[in-house]
Amino acid sequence: GIQVEQSPPDLILQEGANSTLRCNFSDSVNNLQWFHQNPWGQLINLFYIPSGTKQNGRLSATTVATERYSLLYISSSQTTDSGVYFCAVERSSSSGSARQLTFGSGTQLTVLP
Amino acid sequence: KAGVTQTPRYLIKTRGQQVTLSCSPISGHRSVSWYQQTPGQGLQFLFEYFSETQRNKGNFPGRFSGRQFSNSRSEMNVSTLELGDSALYLCASSPREGKLFFGSGTQLSVL
Repeated sequence: GIQVEQSPPDLILQEGANSTLRCNFSDSVNNLQWFHQNPWGQLINLFYIPSGTKQNGRLSATTVATERYSLLYISSSQTTDSGVYFCAVERSSSSGSARQLTFGSGTQLTVLP
Repeated sequence: KAGVTQTPRYLIKTRGQQVTLSCSPISGHRSVSWYQQTPGQGLQFLFEYFSETQRNKGNFPGRFSGRQFSNSRSEMNVSTLELGDSALYLCASSPREGKLFFGSGTQLSVL
């Protein structure tokens, strides 16, 4: 199956710093999503980004599908940005249009005040 | 719209018992999928249902099963619980394509 690798595994920042998280995947995909897992365990969808660049406030993401990677940028980080960031990819299965995500192992981000 | 609702939030069971978890998707979403999250294995796909049909299943033993009802609500069942089944179980709902939306999960502890 498809492999998804995220880097770095851990990142510690001071409040106000910028950061870049990377996601590499081993095969072509139909879509890619970035999630933030909050301390209560819920996965919050940040971006649905199979290709191109999107921005949402202090966060932006870029996916270069032809080179099989995606980047998540966090600018002017805040303590509330702490948590685990997951990249997840999806490709058509043998069942056709069944929805199935393959997740990376995540980046644990800690923003210090 | 209300989000994805999972119940219960926490469960404590003993080995050998069985458990049923429930998921109510976002209104209008017909696809419901389930994931298991553990510290060792990360997030792994269990199965996906669409219009009451299981369309895909991950690499889990037959003790893990699920179903979807006509109103798109879904349940998953784990029989003969093992210690290794302790995990956060997450449900996601989605339209035919686009974003997946996750619930808050059910934290299962097997003693």
